[in-house]
Amino acid sequence: EVKLVESGGGVVQPGGSLRLSCAASEFSITSNYMTWVRQAPGKGLEWVSVIFSGGTTYYADSVKGRFTISRHNSKNTLFLQMDSLRLEDTAVYYCAREKREYSSPGDFYDYMDVWGKGTTVTVSS
Amino acid sequence: SSELTQDPGVSVALGQTVRITCQGDSVRNYYASWYQQKPGQAPVLVMYGKNNRPSGIPDRFSGSTSGNTASLTITGAQAEDEADYYCNSRHSSGNHLVFGGGTKLTVL
Repeated sequence: EVKLVESGGGVVQPGGSLRLSCAASEFSITSNYMTWVRQAPGKGLEWVSVIFSGGTTYYADSVKGRFTISRHNSKNTLFLQMDSLRLEDTAVYYCAREKREYSSPGDFYDYMDVWGKGTTVTVSS
Repeated sequence: SSELTQDPGVSVALGQTVRITCQGDSVRNYYASWYQQKPGQAPVLVMYGKNNRPSGIPDRFSGSTSGNTASLTITGAQAEDEADYYCNSRHSSGNHLVFGGGTKLTVL
């Protein structure tokens, strides 16, 4: 079964660090784009970061310079290193597989077809 | 503020048709995808591309795009369709994705 399982969430003080993991089953993360999405309590979904199959990474402005996305190829595991955590980083963090399809040469669209159940990060003093 | 705008809440009578919309400039150039999220659960992809349903999604769900507006239509809404729905498309910078604020669908 194609599956993603997140772990590593917890309670951390402002300014602290946490590393989230996302273990993939039945597909290779290096052959896919992999994404982190978060959801603050009672709020909507927020895109956080992506790592392309070639290794290029992008971040939302809200986390740029503080979060780092990476992967361990042989363990088929995605990571999100979160440093300098703020109260507003409190959220459920989901990892997802992102697919890209081309509607015509040069035109493409993306979607996230497999999601994990999420791991909760609480930043609190 | 989100670059994709959704109505916060929409209601539909059981068995009737409802359209959930998503407005934003990026929709002109990139097809939106749609996600259903029920309380305490992870999002589930329900629509992507021009009008593509993942395996297991009922055919009462359909998608369309006109100008800067993407739409998710549920024809014959069921009680189990009550959920939050989020659209997603490419950010204007082109480098990453952005979600709409979400629409809470109530089935009466």
